[in-house]
Amino acid sequence: GIQVEQSPPDLILQEGANSTLRCNFSDSVNNLQWFHQNPWGQLINLFYIPSGTKQNGRLSATTVATERYSLLYISSSQTTDSGVYFCAVLNDYKLSFGAGTTVTVRA
Amino acid sequence: EAQVTQNPRYLITVTGKKLTVTCSQNMNHEYMSWYRQDPGLGLRQIYYSMNVEVTDKGDVPEGYKVSRKEKRNFPLILESPSPNQTSLYFCASSLMVGFGYTFGSGTRLTVV
Repeated sequence: GIQVEQSPPDLILQEGANSTLRCNFSDSVNNLQWFHQNPWGQLINLFYIPSGTKQNGRLSATTVATERYSLLYISSSQTTDSGVYFCAVLNDYKLSFGAGTTVTVRA
Repeated sequence: EAQVTQNPRYLITVTGKKLTVTCSQNMNHEYMSWYRQDPGLGLRQIYYSMNVEVTDKGDVPEGYKVSRKEKRNFPLILESPSPNQTSLYFCASSLMVGFGYTFGSGTRLTVV
């Protein structure tokens, strides 16, 4: 099956800092999504981005499907950005998730 | 408000006592799916449904059953729960397979 790798596994930020999370995948995909799991366990869909660039407030994402990677940018980080960020790709009717990047934003 | 609703949020049960976790979506989505999340193993798909009366196994279907009699509901049934089914469970839906997913708030199940 398709492999999804995320880096870095852990990230500690000072409030206000910018960061980039990376997602590599092993095969071509038609569907890539980024999720945020907050400290209470809820999974929130951030982006549906099979290709190109999208922005939503302080977050933006870019997927280069031909090179099999996607990037999630967090700008001017806030403590509420803490949690685990997952990328997931569609493979045979299911989303295959990466292991996630745990982000801790300190005040 | 467009959402996926799971119930219950928390459940502690005993081995062998049948239980059902309900999932309902109000977005007229065709595709629904169940996942379990375990430390070190990430999120793994249990079952999915492409539409009413169409269901299929995911990666870890053993010990679970599902049904899709109505478009909005996709219950997860554990006929004889065992401690290795202790996990955080998520239901998800999307307009069709390949579109953006909306997840429910999760059900934390403990089987003792």
